[in-house]
Amino acid sequence: GAVVSQHPSWVICKSGTSVKIECRSLDFQATTMFWYRQFPKQSLMLMATSNEGSKATYEQGVEKDKFLINHASLTLSTLTVTSAHPEDSSFYICSATPRGAGGLETQYFGPGTRLLVL
Amino acid sequence: AQSVTQLGSHVSVSEGALVLLRCNYSSSVPPYLFWYVQYPNQGLQLLLKYTTGATLVKGINGFEAEFKKSETSFHLTKPSAHMSDAAEYFCAVSTGGGNKLTFGTGTQLKVEL
Repeated sequence: GAVVSQHPSWVICKSGTSVKIECRSLDFQATTMFWYRQFPKQSLMLMATSNEGSKATYEQGVEKDKFLINHASLTLSTLTVTSAHPEDSSFYICSATPRGAGGLETQYFGPGTRLLVL
Repeated sequence: AQSVTQLGSHVSVSEGALVLLRCNYSSSVPPYLFWYVQYPNQGLQLLLKYTTGATLVKGINGFEAEFKKSETSFHLTKPSAHMSDAAEYFCAVSTGGGNKLTFGTGTQLKVEL
């Protein structure tokens, strides 16, 4: 149980294009989804928190117009990197917390999406 | 505010030896504590968590951790290392349900024959 998927697993795009990454909770409804960014050999940095049906809350220093987050349903959140540049190349990981009692404290992570911007 | 410090960015043990990965936290409220493992090019897998109750928590793959409030620690241990334990381990803290996690910088565990 508590499986989170991401699609695509990796993507290469040209500078200036936009890339959409999907995060799905496969066997549970997610109250909250989180988006992280991880640079090589570093820890995870939280980018934003999203709740279904409401606007995402971005961490300080994260450009909301560049990293668009949509949480359209209780099982799907998307991250769109708009006008991507090489410095946006990174490993993006989402996580989700199950809806219902006893699950809110635990985040379950997706397998990550590696983005390379040329 | 909350923070996590993982002592030792790299730990090397022999197969069959004790694994000890250190984690100290700082939190202004009672913490929820987690250990996650990450294999190369993969997401994070939950090993174990402490929320309330028993301070010694057991997780998957033979790992366990003990919450020590007086020492603000949550060290991860495993009695006997296996080659498959080689991975990156992250300690994390949150302040409650639905709240964001703050991660440590990670410890790379290497298991040698």
